[in-house]
Amino acid sequence: AQSVTQLDSQVPVFEEAPVELRCNYSSSVSVYLFWYVQYPNQGLQLLLKYLSGSTLVKGINGFEAEFNKSQTSFHLRKPSVHISDTAEYFCAVSSTGTSYGKLTFGQGTILTVHP
Amino acid sequence: DTEVTQTPKHLVMGMTNKKSLKCEQHMGHRAMYWYKQKAKKPPELMFVYSYEKLSINESVPSRFSPECPNSSLLNLHLHALQPEDSALYLCASSQSQGVASYNEQFFGPGTRLTVL
Repeated sequence: AQSVTQLDSQVPVFEEAPVELRCNYSSSVSVYLFWYVQYPNQGLQLLLKYLSGSTLVKGINGFEAEFNKSQTSFHLRKPSVHISDTAEYFCAVSSTGTSYGKLTFGQGTILTVHP
Repeated sequence: DTEVTQTPKHLVMGMTNKKSLKCEQHMGHRAMYWYKQKAKKPPELMFVYSYEKLSINESVPSRFSPECPNSSLLNLHLHALQPEDSALYLCASSQSQGVASYNEQFFGPGTRLTVL
């Protein structure tokens, strides 16, 4: 079985400040990890993904994430946020153990960027 | 074209109505998905179609009936829904259902369903 825990349900931050959204996963087999963003009243958009290779993954809109196998974490970071980054962020895991690469989502983190 | 489209954007229906949600993609993807998302919750997988065949049904009540008429289209037929079925219904597609390296899912904007 696989699961995802997003450690913060809400993260308030001021514009141009750095931000880290935390994600821990559990799985008994190799994993693939994703971060999705959901703006209000919209669908989900892929920010970045880790499949293999370099543990530091760069995504769109200046976001990056680091895969840490020993700590089973995949935290999302941005060095300087903008008002437009206000949205809900979902960490998701898919593992080689499942027959169909099912995505399991965390509970989401609402990022609010204040001016 | 990396877009998944969904119609309608909003739908209000009574518990005795029959309605359908539509999803379309033209990326040549062979796997398509329906998710249900309640407010302030993550998406929950409902169905997966792979090569136009129903591959996964996550124990969804029969009042939800999916259909995949061709590789680009996915429908969700609704009948005798309950108020607790009110949610955002998201469609997604991916290149295939199998290995996760091809499993990047592209999501549509969703249909906001309200059941009265």
